[in-house]
Amino acid sequence: DVKVTQSSRYLVKRTGEKVFLECVQDMDHENMFWYRQDPGLGLRLIYFSYDVKMKEKGDIPEGYSVSREKKERFSLILESASTNQTSMYLCASSTMGTADGYTFGSGTRLTVV
Amino acid sequence: KQEVTQIPAALSVPEGENLVLNCSFTDSAIYNLQWFRQDPGKGLTSLLLIQSSQREQTSGRLNASLDKSSGRSTLYIAASQPGDSATYLCAVPKTQGGSEKLVFGKGTKLTVNP
Repeated sequence: DVKVTQSSRYLVKRTGEKVFLECVQDMDHENMFWYRQDPGLGLRLIYFSYDVKMKEKGDIPEGYSVSREKKERFSLILESASTNQTSMYLCASSTMGTADGYTFGSGTRLTVV
Repeated sequence: KQEVTQIPAALSVPEGENLVLNCSFTDSAIYNLQWFRQDPGKGLTSLLLIQSSQREQTSGRLNASLDKSSGRSTLYIAASQPGDSATYLCAVPKTQGGSEKLVFGKGTKLTVNP
């Protein structure tokens, strides 16, 4: 069964810490995405990548960066975590042209205190 | 700009009822539409993917239809069960600068009461 795996289900970090959220897919997908989900705001795209070492800003990139050194791994980095980054973070992947749709990971619930 | 709307935002039904969830999108130039299910605190599970050349897709008690010309999709759930309680999201891909991203509705929260 194809999978998108997020390294942590729950994380608690302190304000100002550097935080890494990891996502790995085993489907050889070209595209990978990071979303955050907040009540009343729905899913919002942070960053996406359509190839190794390529990245594009989504709708809310401020305060975040990403890294894609290998095709299967896409990391989201919070350079200096803040309380307003407390959220559910969802990683997804897809093939080019999305003929097979998108596959999501199980999510990481991040709390910044 | 592509916008996706889901109505109603929440729905509560008794067990066994057939129900329809609605999704509308503003830009009909889509090549597929995907329905997802999300349980509380969990990730998204893909339910059905409808290509633009198709009018509907079925999986078990679920049937999704797509009408591109009117910018609408429906998810039909037959003989609902308490285990169907979840939030249902629809999404369409949008091309931006040669890349593609998914645009989501805000979801319909379904509660099926025993």
